[in-house]
Parts: sequence; structure tokens; C-alpha cells
Amino acid sequence: RKEVEQDPGPFNVPEGATVAFNCTYSNSASQSFFWYRQDCRKEPKLLMSVYSSGNEDGRFTAQLNRASQYISLLIRDSKLSDSATYLCALGGGSQGNLIFGKGTKLSVKP
Amino acid sequence: SAVISQKPSRDICQRGTSLTIQCQVDSQVTMMFWYRQQPGQSLTLIATANQGSEATYESGFVIDKFPISRPNLTFSTLTVSNMSPEDSSIYLCSVDPGQGATEAFFGQGTRLTVV
Repeated sequence: RKEVEQDPGPFNVPEGATVAFNCTYSNSASQSFFWYRQDCRKEPKLLMSVYSSGNEDGRFTAQLNRASQYISLLIRDSKLSDSATYLCALGGGSQGNLIFGKGTKLSVKP
Repeated sequence: SAVISQKPSRDICQRGTSLTIQCQVDSQVTMMFWYRQQPGQSLTLIATANQGSEATYESGFVIDKFPISRPNLTFSTLTVSNMSPEDSSIYLCSVDPGQGATEAFFGQGTRLTVV
């Protein structure tokens, strides 16, 4: 099992739709979890951290399920500007680094 | 968060040559990392740049191919040596600001094309 696996995508959704991404991980000892957003030809930027109790930031909700070893990102009321690739990341790399998934591409259409 | 300046932003290089990428941070940081992101792939850690000592490389990456310098807590360079087309990729420096933060912040990336 790969360290981090994400939904393959791409996700093509209309404006206003709700879309959810999942990311499964293999290292049960991981303590920190994140969602990053990467626009085309840009660097990844932190979208939000994922806390055990779940957390919300506007239209974005992140959840962690330790028992099943996955994290999720829910985007409500999708905007055109949400079109990007969403990367999940978790702590626990051998050098204190983050381990990233391949990313899921989201395309929001008018 | 930390402000990270990475340059060059892009380059097209001849095979067999070398390119040095610079990463400057606006504050002192403990951890600086270099990643590679090949088309359609995830970010892969190349190495951790250690201040005052040799970089720590991940499996599959070696110092002769990717020499790294870290002369102080705000600056690092990555050199891609003796390049081949397979080295065409995006190279990203990343920092963990420390002070309890565990998320990573990235430079703008260097898009390298080897011809």
C-alpha cells in the first residue's frame, strides 16, 4: 500500500456543486495532516490543516478518520476559482518532511 | 508563515550541463527541504539541507547528482548536475518554520527543461 493515496480524479463539477476528496494513508503513527492547493504552474500552498475533531473554514471542511486512516476535504458551493489540484499531505517523513499524495484535479465549470 | 524566494523560476538547459537553484527565506528556519515534482506526479523529497553539515538524501538521490549547500539558516542551493532530459521537472524548496508549526511552505518552484 502506498504511503498516501488520493482519489484519481479529475473531478469536473458545475458551479455551486459540493465535491469531496478523500486521501488514505498507511502510516498509523502520522500525527499531522494537511490539504494543499496547487494551481497550474505554481507551488503548493497550504489550504488547511486537518484536526482530529474536524475543522471548517468557510466553504471548506476537513475531517480526519484515524480508525480508517483517511482524511477528507469537502468543498461546498464550488466556485470557478476553486479549480486547482488538491494535494493531501501528512507528517511522518523519515526526515521530518511531509509526504504528499499525487493530487486530485478539480475543474469547476460555469 | 515564511516568505521564500526561489530562482530561477524556469530554465531550459542543454544536456550535460548543471544548474544551480537558489532558495532564500526571510527568516531563520531550522528545516529546509528540496523536492522534485515530475509531470503528473506527487512531490518527492530529494534531501534535507542541513546547516553546517552535509545534506541528508532520500533513497534514489545522491550528492554527486544533486549537491546541496546550506551556508546559513536562511539560504540554500540545489545543483542539478550533468543533466539529462529525465531531470526535466519542477524543483521546489520548502521550509518548516518550526516554533511548533508542522506545515511546510514552498518557494515558487523552478521549472527545468533539459534538451
